[in-house]
Amino acid sequence: EDQVTQSPEALRLQEGESSSLNCSYTVSGLRGLFWYRQDPGKGPEFLFTLYSAGEEKEKERLKATLTKKESFLHITAPKPEDSATYLCAVQEPYGNNRLAFGKGNQVVVIP
Amino acid sequence: DAGVTQSPTHLIKTRGQHVTLRCSPISGHKSVSWYQQVLGQGPQFIFQYYEKEERGRGNFPDRFSARQFPNYSSELNVNALLLGDSALYLCASEGSSGFKNIQYFGAGTRLSVL
Repeated sequence: EDQVTQSPEALRLQEGESSSLNCSYTVSGLRGLFWYRQDPGKGPEFLFTLYSAGEEKEKERLKATLTKKESFLHITAPKPEDSATYLCAVQEPYGNNRLAFGKGNQVVVIP
Repeated sequence: DAGVTQSPTHLIKTRGQHVTLRCSPISGHKSVSWYQQVLGQGPQFIFQYYEKEERGRGNFPDRFSARQFPNYSSELNVNALLLGDSALYLCASEGSSGFKNIQYFGAGTRLSVL
């Protein structure tokens, strides 16, 4: 049973065309929700962590928000260098800090 | 400051062989986690170690094992390799086992099993 579902799986944007990525989760007792960026053949790069509903974080053209059942990653006026796969992960309510990842949102920004 | 370093970068093995992957965490970090990422999927949790003790194990067969050394570096071992073990193996380190910790990932080891 998938705990983290990301949509859309793939997204093509024109440069400057803002959009949002969705991450819905089913785990109860969320300890934390994480967004990572991954470039092809590279390891995930940490972007944001959110801990409670209503929380928001921003970094350059990216803004992450959290509700009780989902998170959004808003990309404002994207540039080609924003092309990447964006991974969402939840930290499970167990003793260890394992992360459960979704399959990712593959974003391509066309100049 | 050096980030998480993994070696080797790429590895090609044949079915039935054994492989050892290595990870050095960020200086000062005491916890290391291992993940497997198959092409087109998100990373899947394999193991977590903190202060040389196993803190968690994912749903992987006993062919997978790991250990953490006194300097907090770690090894992931996979025996009797199968074609399905071909993947990017990621190591992540975090500062402690506390509540609000962030896992920082290395660049990974790309394993191809032929």
